[in-house]
Amino acid sequence: QVQLVQSGAEVKKPGASVKVSCKASGYPFSGYSMHWVRQAPGHGLEWVGRIKADSGDAEYAESFQGRVTMTGDTSISTAYLELSGLRPDDTAVYYCVREVVVFPAAGGSYPWFYPWGQGTLVTVSS
Amino acid sequence: EIVLTQSPGTLSVSPGERATLSCRASQSLSGNSLAWYQHKPGQAPRLLIYGASSRATATPDRFSGSGSGTDFTLSISRLEPEDFAVYYCQQYGSSYSFGQGTKLEIK
Repeated sequence: QVQLVQSGAEVKKPGASVKVSCKASGYPFSGYSMHWVRQAPGHGLEWVGRIKADSGDAEYAESFQGRVTMTGDTSISTAYLELSGLRPDDTAVYYCVREVVVFPAAGGSYPWFYPWGQGTLVTVSS
Repeated sequence: EIVLTQSPGTLSVSPGERATLSCRASQSLSGNSLAWYQHKPGQAPRLLIYGASSRATATPDRFSGSGSGTDFTLSISRLEPEDFAVYYCQQYGSSYSFGQGTKLEIK
């Protein structure tokens, strides 16, 4: 079955960098975009960015520009999120999620975020 | 960047009653490119509505979406116990973004 398995929890000091991995299985990795979404404690979902697995092209939310890098290794079907200059308010659960582009019979298309990884808790504390 | 603002932050409604959740975009969404997700603790978010008003596969018909431009609504008629969760709107017309969520709780 389609599955995304993420790396384990991380504890980092302010100013450090973190790299989270997301291993995909059950589907052709290069055929789909991978998004990263985070949820800070007591807060809602926040879109971080996405990478097109076939081309490696990435786009990021404005609030993360300059601090985030998304990459992918098609040989091992794994996507990576690297966040630098960590601050305490970067403490959150980070999710990878595949984007499926659906073409309904009525026409048009829409993105379906499915499935989601299990999440990786990144804690930033001195 | 399009900012989505959801209201209210928390909505208390009794089972069997109707709930109405709002989502406002900072600029008009092309093609009504708005989705609604339901998120329960310990579970992955689940797509309910796409294109502002189309139900995704397996979404019960008590869920309905409406709106266009910058103002959108998710309505849930006849609330069931399993409907109490956090709901997020998401725009996908210009990059992507989520609203901050509305927590629907039992009154």
